[in-house]
Amino acid sequence: ETGVTQTPRHLVMGMTNKKSLKCEQHLGHNAMYWYKQSAKKPLELMFVYNFKEQTENNSVPSRFSPECPNSSHLFLHLHTLQPEDSALYLCASSQGPGAENIQYFGAGTRLSVL
Amino acid sequence: GQNIDQPTEMTATEGAIVQINCTYQTSGFNGLFWYQQHAGEAPTFLSYNVLDGLEEKGRFSSFLSRSKGYSYLLLKELQMKDSASYLCAVRDRESGAGSYQLTFGKGTKLSVIP
Repeated sequence: ETGVTQTPRHLVMGMTNKKSLKCEQHLGHNAMYWYKQSAKKPLELMFVYNFKEQTENNSVPSRFSPECPNSSHLFLHLHTLQPEDSALYLCASSQGPGAENIQYFGAGTRLSVL
Repeated sequence: GQNIDQPTEMTATEGAIVQINCTYQTSGFNGLFWYQQHAGEAPTFLSYNVLDGLEEKGRFSSFLSRSKGYSYLLLKELQMKDSASYLCAVRDRESGAGSYQLTFGKGTKLSVIP
């Protein structure tokens, strides 16, 4: 148990569906992150939030829409996805976004887009 | 941008020692992390190096040489449970950005055999 919980663990959706991924951290951290992990590719940073404010968006397509209502919760809203979006989506949190801060990861949501 | 290289796969025998190498190129180095990821689970933090030298933590040690852009993770007295992927990640400060991004290598899949 890392203190970062992601739901659902598995999700299958069609290209026309709308779904949301949820992340909750119980560590009292102020920064939260979304990563994408595809087979045989490194983890790719998607979004960074610090104190509920988005500080990074790494050229992610608009069909991925993040939401951070408070420092403990992070959502990733999905709509009109493509099959190549199938991947493991990982959430992480850290005390802050600074260099010395360790990121703690959730177990991820395995997404399959049909 | 960054370039992080680590071997794709390694195999070692239970009880032995294994060294997993990581080389990187970055413009504004601010630390190197090692994570362990078992299949279907969250990446978990193993070690953090920001200065040159060896950091030891039980059976695991991590070494850093900033001048060579090189790190290794050393695992001693290997156990079957050490079979996992080991992720090398480098933090730098992208020019113009306000936060420190963590960039991951593709990971090294270690198989420990009896």
